[in-house]
Amino acid sequence: AQTVTQSQPEMSVQEAETVTLSCTYDTSENNYYLFWYKQPPSRQMILVIRQEAYKQQNATENRFSVNFQKAAKSFSLKISDSQLGDTAMYFCAVGGGADGLTFGKGTHLIIQP
Amino acid sequence: GAGVSQSPSNKVTEKGKDVELRCDPISGHTALYWYRQSLGQGLEFLIYFQGNSAPDKSGLPSDRFSAERTGGSVSTLTIQRTQQEDSAVYLCASSRQVGPGANVLTFGAGSRLTVL
Repeated sequence: AQTVTQSQPEMSVQEAETVTLSCTYDTSENNYYLFWYKQPPSRQMILVIRQEAYKQQNATENRFSVNFQKAAKSFSLKISDSQLGDTAMYFCAVGGGADGLTFGKGTHLIIQP
Repeated sequence: GAGVSQSPSNKVTEKGKDVELRCDPISGHTALYWYRQSLGQGLEFLIYFQGNSAPDKSGLPSDRFSAERTGGSVSTLTIQRTQQEDSAVYLCASSRQVGPGANVLTFGAGSRLTVL
């Protein structure tokens, strides 16, 4: 069984600031992957970033980066130079088995102008 | 198709009616997943298909829920005798294949179901 916990239901920051969304997880899989998905008001889930658990180097995608602490089972997302278009629900997810991904309850991120 | 297509986008129905939600995955994607997203909640896994078979149906909330996939492509999620607690957004996703690493899911825009 897999669980994902996102302890911040909502966060609000000013445009251009840096924000970090936290995520902790638990899994019995040895080979697994971690994901951050973004869901804007359009409801479309969009992949933000992916981390392979066997890789120690933290994944980065432009303004998005992760801090992956495998021993602590922590997988936080950092958004640098935040933009108004970053306003969305952000979901952390873990995947390792055949049945897709297990998602957290999400963090609603609001970027203020 | 280029993306995952779901229909209807919105569905309002009366309690007790049956509804069908459709998902058309990305062409060539063999794995297809259904999730339910209730208000203020994360995504709840319902069922996945590898080709036309569904190895794991344990996520379906009750026997009123069923799903099928034909031709390794389009999938239909059917909810019989709908209840108000079935109101949610039903999201479909597909991936190239099943398994870790391949689980980069591409999602549709979802079907919002409202049961009055």
